[in-house]
Amino acid sequence: DAGVTQSPTHLIKTRGQQVTLRCSPKSGHDTVSWYQQALGQGPQFIFQYYEEEERQRGNFPDRFSGHQYPNYSSELNVNALLLGDSALYLCASRTGTGQYGYTFGSGTRLTVV
Amino acid sequence: GNSVTQMEGPVTLSEEAFLTINCTYTATGYPSLFWYVQYPGEGLQLLLKATKADDKGSNKGFEATYRKETTSFHLEKGSVQVSDSAVYFCALIHTGGFKTIFGAGTRLFVKA
Repeated sequence: DAGVTQSPTHLIKTRGQQVTLRCSPKSGHDTVSWYQQALGQGPQFIFQYYEEEERQRGNFPDRFSGHQYPNYSSELNVNALLLGDSALYLCASRTGTGQYGYTFGSGTRLTVV
Repeated sequence: GNSVTQMEGPVTLSEEAFLTINCTYTATGYPSLFWYVQYPGEGLQLLLKATKADDKGSNKGFEATYRKETTSFHLEKGSVQVSDSAVYFCALIHTGGFKTIFGAGTRLFVKA
């Protein structure tokens, strides 16, 4: 049974460009969250999607947007990239309530130059 | 607001040593508490969890007890192995909340 799948694994972009990261949740999971993990830090919550709607958002600017499809897969879009957007972007999925934890993907390493 | 504080690393131990990584939290109500582990170049894996006070989570020889009176969830293992070298994150999710709040992580090095 595949876990959470993220693509691509690595990406290099130039400042000002736009990027789309993709996530397929674990089979049976209907809720997807995205996190940004800067080097040497803990993951920071970006937003969560459920039933194709953004349910909660962390402290990130509107340059960060997302989408969830009917098959529960999700995309994270970042516009007007800044050097500070360089990080590991993690997708996590679950079903039911969050009190039992999430399954995380291996992440997409984004480097902005 | 809700937050998690864990001991700074790196922690360096010899194989078969006893491990403790301290974690304290600030939250209203009764959050669920977690330890996640991140091996080099990988995402996070759920190591153990506890959903109410006095619960003990355990997995792969690791244990942590939810202590509401001290707002703590310290991670322990009786005998570490080289393969336990990783970064460990303490985390919480508030009752009815959607986001997991993570500590800054503690890097563990285990020497043979």
